[in-house]
Amino acid sequence: KNEVEQSPQNLTAQEGEFITINCSYSVGISALHWLQQHPGGGIVSLFMLSSGKKKHGRLIATINIQEKHSSLHITASHPRDSAVYICAVKNFGNEKLTFGTGTRLTIIP
Amino acid sequence: DTGVSQDPRHKITKRGQNVTFRCDPISEHNRLYWYRQTLGQGPEFLTYFQNEAQLEKSRLLSDRFSAERPKGSFSTLEIQRTEQGDSAMYLCASSLEEVGNEQFFGPGTRLTVL
Repeated sequence: KNEVEQSPQNLTAQEGEFITINCSYSVGISALHWLQQHPGGGIVSLFMLSSGKKKHGRLIATINIQEKHSSLHITASHPRDSAVYICAVKNFGNEKLTFGTGTRLTIIP
Repeated sequence: DTGVSQDPRHKITKRGQNVTFRCDPISEHNRLYWYRQTLGQGPEFLTYFQNEAQLEKSRLLSDRFSAERPKGSFSTLEIQRTEQGDSAMYLCASSLEEVGNEQFFGPGTRLTVL
């Protein structure tokens, strides 16, 4: 079973700050997802990546396969970025996702 | 709206009652997944379908839980004889195998068992 750890568990920052959320996993994977969950429960997929780096607007996701580590960065953070960010991995030969417990991000105006 | 939809969004029931949730995946998505999320935790896998075939079930899915996808489109998740420990958010996701299998999530059904 893949263990997925996220850090920090909670993060509070001022508007405009550069945010980094980390995800580590224990065994090899075929893909890693970064997800965003707002209060009320709905989950939005931000990125799916298996190597390198992806960028969408102010969001950047990177993955280092050798180190079994991924980071999600938010540039010029805004209060509307406040949400829980969840890392999830898909193992080889297995369709289910294994999730981290999430990072609760609060951006203060 | 062509996203994943779930119904109902909220369900409050008394212990011992049966409940059924529905998930409508994105049209043409052949894979459908059910996850459960308890407060403060990340989601946990319950089961998934490829078309109408249920291909994997988690040990979390006790014999009180049953999921179906009879025509390979929408799916239902039924919980019989609900217990307070069943209180959670039940999430559905769908994906298209041929396009990298990225999963798209629905808004979830929040179940409260009194």
